Amino acid sequence: DQQVKQNSPSLSVQEGRISILNCDYTNSMFDYFLWYKKYPAEGPTFLISISSIKDKNEDGRFTVFLNKSAKHLSLHIVPSQPGDSAVYFCAAKMRQLTFGSGTQLTVLP
Amino acid sequence: NAGVTQTPKFQVLKTGQSMTLQCAQDMNHEYMSWYRQDPGMGLRLIHYSVGAGITDQGEVPNGYNVSRSTTEDFPLRLLSAAPSQTSVYFCASSYSGARVGSPLHFGNGTRLTVT
Repeated sequence: DQQVKQNSPSLSVQEGRISILNCDYTNSMFDYFLWYKKYPAEGPTFLISISSIKDKNEDGRFTVFLNKSAKHLSLHIVPSQPGDSAVYFCAAKMRQLTFGSGTQLTVLP
Repeated sequence: NAGVTQTPKFQVLKTGQSMTLQCAQDMNHEYMSWYRQDPGMGLRLIHYSVGAGITDQGEVPNGYNVSRSTTEDFPLRLLSAAPSQTSVYFCASSYSGARVGSPLHFGNGTRLTVT
């Protein structure tokens, strides 16, 4: 039973528009949430994180939102660029990190 | 800094063979871990270590052994390879187990095929 779910395997967005990637979790004991980005033939790289005591964290074009009552996490990328095309994993931490299955984002020029 | 280095990049094994996947980091991180990535399942934790001499099991430890004799190295051993172990394996490290301000740093992976 997956505790962290990314229900959209893929997402296509036009360059310059907003990309919204979603993630749902089931365990209310998770206290730290992260997003990782992965290019082919490379390891995941850390993108942005949020503690459970916050509901929003921004870093440049990337913003992560946390809705604890809905157990929902989202990543907004504005504006989207072709270089953002990658697989995005959300992850949640209790004792260890639990990852979602990933969403392939394609930004079309 | 090289970061997290994994070797080999690719490996093909026959069922029943054993091998060791190597992982080294040069960031003086206390925490190291091994994940496997399978289609549609994300990354699943195999084993982890919070320091030299200390290891523990993750979500999918069966068929794998680890040891941590130094801070820098965390090898993963497949005792008797099975086709179900065909996967991409990632080693990751951090200062203190992915706490706030201490995200995991990943290697580039080892793609293992067991025939």
